[in-house]
Amino acid sequence: QKEVEQDPGPLSVPEGAIVSLNCTYSNSAFQYFMWYRQYSRKGPELLMYTYSSGNKEDGRFTAQVDKSSKYISLFIRDSQPSDSATYLCAMRGSGGSNYKLTFGKGTLLTVNP
Amino acid sequence: DTGVSQNPRHKITKRGQNVTFRCDPISEHNRLYWYRQTLGQGPEFLTYFQNEAQLEKSRLLSDRFSAERPKGSFSTLEIQRTEQGDSAMYLCASSLALDLIYFGEGSWLTVV
Repeated sequence: QKEVEQDPGPLSVPEGAIVSLNCTYSNSAFQYFMWYRQYSRKGPELLMYTYSSGNKEDGRFTAQVDKSSKYISLFIRDSQPSDSATYLCAMRGSGGSNYKLTFGKGTLLTVNP
Repeated sequence: DTGVSQNPRHKITKRGQNVTFRCDPISEHNRLYWYRQTLGQGPEFLTYFQNEAQLEKSRLLSDRFSAERPKGSFSTLEIQRTEQGDSAMYLCASSLALDLIYFGEGSWLTVV
């Protein structure tokens, strides 16, 4: 079992839809959680960074963490064609090699106009 | 405001040749990371520098790979005697603390 599982999709939605992207993880040492957006042939762009269980909102993006279930989500409201990209979840622990990010495979999202 | 800069962006090389990638981190970022990403996969950790000290090197990094960060500024990743399995995007990232880690645009390597 991989440490981080992420459904690769692809996910296709109409413009304006609410998008839900998810990751599960098995390593209880993971304490910090990130979402990155990656356009084709570009580097990952940091979208959200969270630590606590609960919700964190930034514009149209909401990151949700449930440490008891080892489950994190990213919600995108009022999705736009410019949101079409691969979304990567990433996480790290709080001790030892805590600088090392472990990524999911990424979910490919297409928002259709 | 300049982000993490990587050069070259694309490199095509013949099997057995050596290649070197350069990374210029965000100014004042003392932490620097290298990751590798293949098609359909998330980035995988390769190595980490805090200032000029290389603190960890992943087992993914065979003896053919070497990374340096002289004087804690830019970094280079060299691959000797390239193999087709080395074809991937090599990503550099930097951060000031451990929380906000910013990636560059990546350097694509194709070994033919």
